[in-house]
Amino acid sequence: EAQVTQNPRYLITVTGKKLTVTCSQNMNHEYMSWYRQDPGLGLRQIYYSMNVEVTDKGDVPEGYKVSRKEKRNFPLILESPSPNQTSLYFCASSLRRGKETQYFGPGTRLLVL
Amino acid sequence: QQQVKQSPQSLIVQKGGISIINCAYENTAFDYFPWYQQFPGKGPALLIAIRPDVSEKKEGRFTISFNKSAKQFSLHIMDSQPGDSATYFCAAGGNFGNEKLTFGTGTRLTIIP
Repeated sequence: EAQVTQNPRYLITVTGKKLTVTCSQNMNHEYMSWYRQDPGLGLRQIYYSMNVEVTDKGDVPEGYKVSRKEKRNFPLILESPSPNQTSLYFCASSLRRGKETQYFGPGTRLLVL
Repeated sequence: QQQVKQSPQSLIVQKGGISIINCAYENTAFDYFPWYQQFPGKGPALLIAIRPDVSEKKEGRFTISFNKSAKQFSLHIMDSQPGDSATYFCAAGGNFGNEKLTFGTGTRLTIIP
């Protein structure tokens, strides 16, 4: 089954404790991105990757890091989480950047205390 | 800077009625306008998309109407059903060097019996 998977689905952590949210897709997509969803703000792009070893900042990159060492994986790293990073996070992938259907993962709900 | 404005934020429609969600964009270089549907606990999924060479696209009970001169597009759901209750996001994208999708803030639609 073609899908984007994320882990964990739910995470409670404390300020400053490094965490990683994993994302994997099995569709051989070149383009992957991370979004955060907050009430009233919609979906905002954090980082994106056009291919292996090619990543760039989205609209709200502060406090986040990413890496793309393999085509299928695109982990999101919060090196020192803060309460304002409490949010619902989605990983998405598409065949290419641009006017392509984006396939979203199931989401990771993060609470930073 | 919000480039895609979506309204209303929430909408309650009676079963069998017509649900209408509106979006307006600023950048005239946008030329791809998808709508994504998100059910609780799930990631968004592409519902329907339109390109500006047509003024309307219909898929089943879902129709996108597009007004290029007004820089507006809308989603109409005919014969709305309780199963249509979800959050809907409009988005805009294009080929102008920054091809990422820009999402609206979302509309929570509730269909009541």
